[in-house]
Amino acid sequence: EAGVAQSPRYKIIEKRQSVAFWCNPISGHATLYWYQQILGQGPKLLIQFQNNGVVDDSQLPKDRFSAERLKGVDSTLKIQPAKLEDSAVYLCASSKGAWGEKLFFGSGTQLSVL
Amino acid sequence: DQQVKQNSPSLSVQEGRISILNCDYTNSMFDYFLWYKKYPAEGPTFLISISSIKDKNEDGRFTVFLNKSAKHLSLHIVPSQPGDSAVYFCAASLGSSNTGKLIFGQGTTLQVKP
Repeated sequence: EAGVAQSPRYKIIEKRQSVAFWCNPISGHATLYWYQQILGQGPKLLIQFQNNGVVDDSQLPKDRFSAERLKGVDSTLKIQPAKLEDSAVYLCASSKGAWGEKLFFGSGTQLSVL
Repeated sequence: DQQVKQNSPSLSVQEGRISILNCDYTNSMFDYFLWYKKYPAEGPTFLISISSIKDKNEDGRFTVFLNKSAKHLSLHIVPSQPGDSAVYFCAASLGSSNTGKLIFGQGTTLQVKP
């Protein structure tokens, strides 16, 4: 069974630039999550999709972050414009059900904002 | 507001001995707890979980203990092996009473010395 695919693995940009991350969840998984992990901290949920609807985006900085999940499968997360404090690993995860009881994570995208 | 805390950033044990990783939480409504393991440059992988109706769950060398009155859980690894060296995150979920999103602790880096 293929795992959660993410791209790119690494991205270096300057502040005020824009960047986009892509995620392909495990086939058949209805729920997709984007987490932000800052160095030395645990992953923090940014947004949760159930199929192609948003379930929770309470911690998403909506003035600069946006995400979509077209057709309930792939998802993209965008940052525009980026700030220095956005430097982090962005993890995509998926699960079969509506609850976050067992998430399968991708390898993440390491973002450095200079 | 750190609802899930791992107060030990790192732990070093000798191969063959027991590793005990601790986690405290503040929200008494959490009803499901999980441990994830993370190797460098990889996403977290699910290790073991426990429901709030239990106080112990065992899977091979890994055992999780839950003390609801103390709002504390711990992960025991016996015997510890060098391949167990990784960052361990505990996570808590509100399960069916919420979107089920996971709230992670900051992580504990375990080093098992040969």
